[in-house]
Amino acid sequence: GAVVSQHPSRVICKSGTSVKIECRSLDFQATTMFWYRQFPKKSLMLMATSNEGSKATYEQGVEKDKFLINHASLTLSTLTVTSAHPEDSSFYICSAMSDRGKPNEKLFFGSGTQLSVL
Amino acid sequence: TQLLEQSPQFLSIQEGENLTVYCNSSSVFSSLQWYRQEPGEGPVLLVTVVTGGEVKKLKRLTFQFGDARKDSSLHITAAQPGDTGLYLCAGVHSTGNQFYFGTGTSLTVIP
Repeated sequence: GAVVSQHPSRVICKSGTSVKIECRSLDFQATTMFWYRQFPKKSLMLMATSNEGSKATYEQGVEKDKFLINHASLTLSTLTVTSAHPEDSSFYICSAMSDRGKPNEKLFFGSGTQLSVL
Repeated sequence: TQLLEQSPQFLSIQEGENLTVYCNSSSVFSSLQWYRQEPGEGPVLLVTVVTGGEVKKLKRLTFQFGDARKDSSLHITAAQPGDTGLYLCAGVHSTGNQFYFGTGTSLTVIP
Protein backbone atom coordinates (compact mmCIF):
# COMPACT_ATOMS: atom_id res chain seq x y z
CA GLY A 1 0.00 0.00 0.00
CA ALA A 2 0.94 3.63 -0.33
CA VAL A 3 3.37 4.93 2.26
CA VAL A 4 4.10 8.43 3.44
CA SER A 5 7.34 9.02 5.30
CA GLN A 6 7.59 11.93 7.71
CA HIS A 7 10.67 12.90 9.64
CA PRO A 8 11.94 13.69 12.07
CA SER A 9 9.52 11.90 14.36
CA ARG A 10 10.59 13.98 17.31
CA VAL A 11 12.55 17.21 17.59
CA ILE A 12 13.53 19.37 20.53
CA CYS A 13 14.84 22.82 19.77
CA LYS A 14 15.65 26.09 21.47
CA SER A 15 13.35 29.07 21.21
CA GLY A 16 14.22 31.21 18.19
CA THR A 17 15.57 28.44 16.00
CA SER A 18 13.94 27.07 12.85
CA VAL A 19 12.86 23.49 12.34
CA LYS A 20 12.20 21.73 9.05
CA ILE A 21 9.86 18.75 8.77
CA GLU A 22 9.85 16.58 5.65
CA CYS A 23 6.98 14.61 4.19
CA ARG A 24 7.62 12.16 1.35
CA SER A 25 5.27 9.94 -0.61
CA LEU A 26 7.35 6.81 -1.20
CA ASP A 27 5.51 4.90 -3.90
CA PHE A 28 3.09 7.34 -5.49
CA GLN A 29 3.00 10.88 -6.77
CA ALA A 30 1.09 13.31 -4.62
CA THR A 31 0.03 16.51 -6.31
CA THR A 32 -1.64 17.59 -3.09
CA MET A 33 -0.31 17.36 0.41
CA PHE A 34 -1.84 18.64 3.63
CA TRP A 35 -0.24 19.81 6.86
CA TYR A 36 -2.03 19.48 10.18
CA ARG A 37 -1.38 20.42 13.76
CA GLN A 38 -2.73 18.43 16.66
CA PHE A 39 -2.93 18.94 20.43
CA PRO A 40 -3.31 16.02 22.85
CA LYS A 41 -6.66 14.23 22.54
CA LYS A 42 -7.81 16.83 20.06
CA SER A 43 -8.53 16.55 16.37
CA LEU A 44 -6.28 17.52 13.50
CA MET A 45 -6.41 21.18 12.56
CA LEU A 46 -5.69 21.83 8.89
CA MET A 47 -2.90 24.37 8.58
CA ALA A 48 -2.37 24.49 4.84
CA THR A 49 -2.94 22.71 1.57
CA SER A 50 0.17 22.28 -0.52
CA ASN A 51 0.05 21.80 -4.29
CA GLU A 52 3.14 20.81 -6.23
CA GLY A 53 4.76 23.71 -7.98
CA SER A 54 2.52 26.40 -6.53
CA LYS A 55 2.13 28.38 -3.35
CA ALA A 56 0.44 26.71 -0.42
CA THR A 57 -3.06 27.72 0.60
CA TYR A 58 -3.13 28.56 4.29
CA GLU A 59 -6.12 28.28 6.57
CA GLN A 60 -7.38 31.34 8.36
CA GLY A 61 -5.29 32.18 11.40
CA VAL A 62 -2.17 30.33 10.23
CA GLU A 63 0.82 32.61 9.72
CA LYS A 64 2.35 31.79 6.36
CA ASP A 65 5.58 33.60 7.21
CA LYS A 66 5.99 31.48 10.32
CA PHE A 67 5.02 28.15 8.81
CA LEU A 68 6.80 27.97 5.47
CA ILE A 69 5.62 25.22 3.16
CA ASN A 70 7.46 24.09 0.07
CA HIS A 71 6.16 21.45 -2.33
CA ALA A 72 8.91 21.36 -4.92
CA SER A 73 8.27 17.88 -6.29
CA LEU A 74 5.48 15.34 -6.59
CA THR A 75 6.91 13.32 -3.74
CA LEU A 76 8.19 15.86 -1.26
CA SER A 77 6.68 18.65 0.82
CA THR A 78 8.41 20.43 3.68
CA LEU A 79 7.13 22.48 6.58
CA THR A 80 9.57 24.89 8.22
CA VAL A 81 8.63 26.39 11.57
CA THR A 82 10.61 29.62 11.64
CA SER A 83 11.78 31.29 14.85
CA ALA A 84 10.03 28.65 16.92
CA HIS A 85 8.57 29.55 20.30
CA PRO A 86 7.23 27.32 23.09
CA GLU A 87 3.64 27.90 21.92
CA ASP A 88 4.59 26.21 18.62
CA SER A 89 5.16 22.97 20.49
CA SER A 90 2.72 20.46 19.06
CA PHE A 91 2.26 17.30 17.02
CA TYR A 92 2.50 18.05 13.30
CA ILE A 93 1.20 15.56 10.73
CA CYS A 94 1.42 15.58 6.96
CA SER A 95 -0.71 13.68 4.50
CA ALA A 96 -0.54 13.01 0.80
CA MET A 97 -3.41 12.39 -1.54
CA SER A 98 -3.36 9.71 -4.23
CA ASP A 99 -5.70 9.39 -7.20
CA ARG A 100 -6.83 12.95 -6.72
CA GLY A 101 -10.27 13.56 -8.19
CA LYS A 102 -10.89 9.87 -8.90
CA PRO A 103 -13.46 7.66 -7.16
CA ASN A 104 -10.71 5.78 -5.32
CA GLU A 105 -9.11 8.98 -4.05
CA LYS A 106 -7.27 8.22 -0.82
CA LEU A 107 -5.34 10.12 1.80
CA PHE A 108 -2.26 8.64 3.44
CA PHE A 109 -0.65 10.01 6.57
CA GLY A 110 2.83 10.40 7.84
CA SER A 111 3.56 9.18 11.35
CA GLY A 112 3.80 12.70 12.71
CA THR A 113 6.46 14.93 14.24
CA GLN A 114 6.39 15.90 17.91
CA LEU A 115 7.95 19.35 18.19
CA SER A 116 9.05 20.60 21.59
CA VAL A 117 10.40 24.14 21.81
CA LEU A 118 12.30 24.95 24.99
CA THR B 1 -11.62 25.76 10.15
CA GLN B 2 -13.42 22.54 11.12
CA LEU B 3 -16.68 22.05 9.28
CA LEU B 4 -17.35 18.64 10.76
CA GLU B 5 -18.68 18.38 14.31
CA GLN B 6 -18.44 15.06 16.10
CA SER B 7 -20.39 13.91 19.11
CA PRO B 8 -19.77 12.86 21.72
CA GLN B 9 -16.34 14.39 22.28
CA PHE B 10 -15.43 11.87 24.96
CA LEU B 11 -16.91 8.44 25.60
CA SER B 12 -16.05 5.90 28.26
CA ILE B 13 -17.91 2.59 28.21
CA GLN B 14 -17.66 -0.95 29.54
CA GLU B 15 -16.46 -3.81 27.38
CA GLY B 16 -19.36 -5.40 25.51
CA GLU B 17 -21.47 -2.27 25.23
CA ASN B 18 -22.56 -0.72 21.95
CA LEU B 19 -21.91 2.88 20.93
CA THR B 20 -22.53 5.34 18.13
CA VAL B 21 -20.40 8.30 17.11
CA TYR B 22 -21.91 11.05 14.99
CA CYS B 23 -20.27 13.35 12.46
CA ASN B 24 -22.36 16.31 11.33
CA SER B 25 -21.93 19.25 9.01
CA SER B 26 -24.06 21.92 7.40
CA SER B 27 -22.02 21.46 4.24
CA VAL B 28 -22.06 18.78 1.58
CA PHE B 29 -19.03 16.54 1.25
CA SER B 30 -18.11 14.55 -1.84
CA SER B 31 -16.97 11.74 0.42
CA LEU B 32 -16.35 11.08 4.08
CA GLN B 33 -13.74 8.94 5.71
CA TRP B 34 -13.39 7.54 9.21
CA TYR B 35 -10.02 7.19 10.92
CA ARG B 36 -8.75 5.80 14.18
CA GLN B 37 -5.66 7.29 15.78
CA GLU B 38 -3.38 6.08 18.55
CA PRO B 39 -1.35 8.61 20.61
CA GLY B 40 1.84 9.71 18.84
CA GLU B 41 0.87 8.14 15.53
CA GLY B 42 -0.83 9.23 12.36
CA PRO B 43 -4.50 8.41 11.72
CA VAL B 44 -5.32 5.03 10.17
CA LEU B 45 -8.09 4.88 7.59
CA LEU B 46 -11.04 2.66 8.51
CA VAL B 47 -13.48 3.31 5.68
CA THR B 48 -14.52 5.69 2.93
CA VAL B 49 -18.16 6.38 2.08
CA VAL B 50 -19.03 8.19 -1.12
CA THR B 51 -22.71 7.62 -1.89
CA GLY B 52 -25.56 9.22 0.03
CA GLY B 53 -27.26 6.58 2.18
CA GLU B 54 -24.35 4.18 1.85
CA VAL B 55 -23.75 1.67 4.66
CA LYS B 56 -20.46 -0.16 5.09
CA LYS B 57 -19.55 -2.79 7.63
CA LEU B 58 -16.10 -3.62 8.93
CA LYS B 59 -16.40 -6.50 11.41
CA ARG B 60 -18.08 -4.94 14.46
CA LEU B 61 -18.05 -1.43 12.97
CA THR B 62 -20.90 -0.09 10.86
CA PHE B 63 -20.55 3.18 8.97
CA GLN B 64 -23.35 5.16 7.37
CA PHE B 65 -23.30 8.21 5.11
CA GLY B 66 -26.32 10.48 5.28
CA ASP B 67 -28.63 10.74 2.29
CA ALA B 68 -27.69 14.40 1.77
CA ARG B 69 -23.97 13.65 2.26
CA LYS B 70 -23.75 16.09 5.16
CA ASP B 71 -23.41 13.63 8.00
CA SER B 72 -22.16 10.19 8.92
CA SER B 73 -22.24 7.79 11.84
CA LEU B 74 -20.02 5.05 13.21
CA HIS B 75 -21.62 2.29 15.27
CA ILE B 76 -19.51 -0.18 17.22
CA THR B 77 -21.11 -3.38 18.48
CA ALA B 78 -19.79 -5.15 21.56
CA ALA B 79 -16.90 -2.78 22.11
CA GLN B 80 -13.55 -4.22 23.15
CA PRO B 81 -10.58 -2.58 24.92
CA GLY B 82 -8.69 -2.71 21.62
CA ASP B 83 -11.23 -0.27 20.20
CA THR B 84 -9.89 2.46 22.48
CA GLY B 85 -8.59 5.43 20.53
CA LEU B 86 -9.40 8.73 18.91
CA TYR B 87 -11.97 8.38 16.12
CA LEU B 88 -12.02 11.03 13.44
CA CYS B 89 -14.31 11.65 10.52
CA ALA B 90 -12.88 13.60 7.62
CA GLY B 91 -13.73 14.61 4.11
CA VAL B 92 -13.12 16.69 1.06
CA HIS B 93 -15.46 19.64 0.86
CA SER B 94 -17.59 19.42 -2.26
CA THR B 95 -16.70 22.94 -3.38
CA GLY B 96 -13.04 23.05 -2.43
CA ASN B 97 -9.73 21.29 -2.32
CA GLN B 98 -9.26 21.17 1.44
CA PHE B 99 -9.44 17.97 3.45
CA TYR B 100 -11.00 18.64 6.83
CA PHE B 101 -11.19 16.58 9.98
CA GLY B 102 -14.02 16.39 12.44
CA THR B 103 -13.60 17.51 16.02
CA GLY B 104 -12.82 13.96 17.14
CA THR B 105 -14.24 11.43 19.60
CA SER B 106 -11.97 9.98 22.24
CA LEU B 107 -13.21 6.47 23.09
CA THR B 108 -12.13 4.47 26.11
CA VAL B 109 -13.36 0.89 26.52
CA ILE B 110 -12.92 -0.39 30.05
CA PRO B 111 -12.23 -4.13 30.45
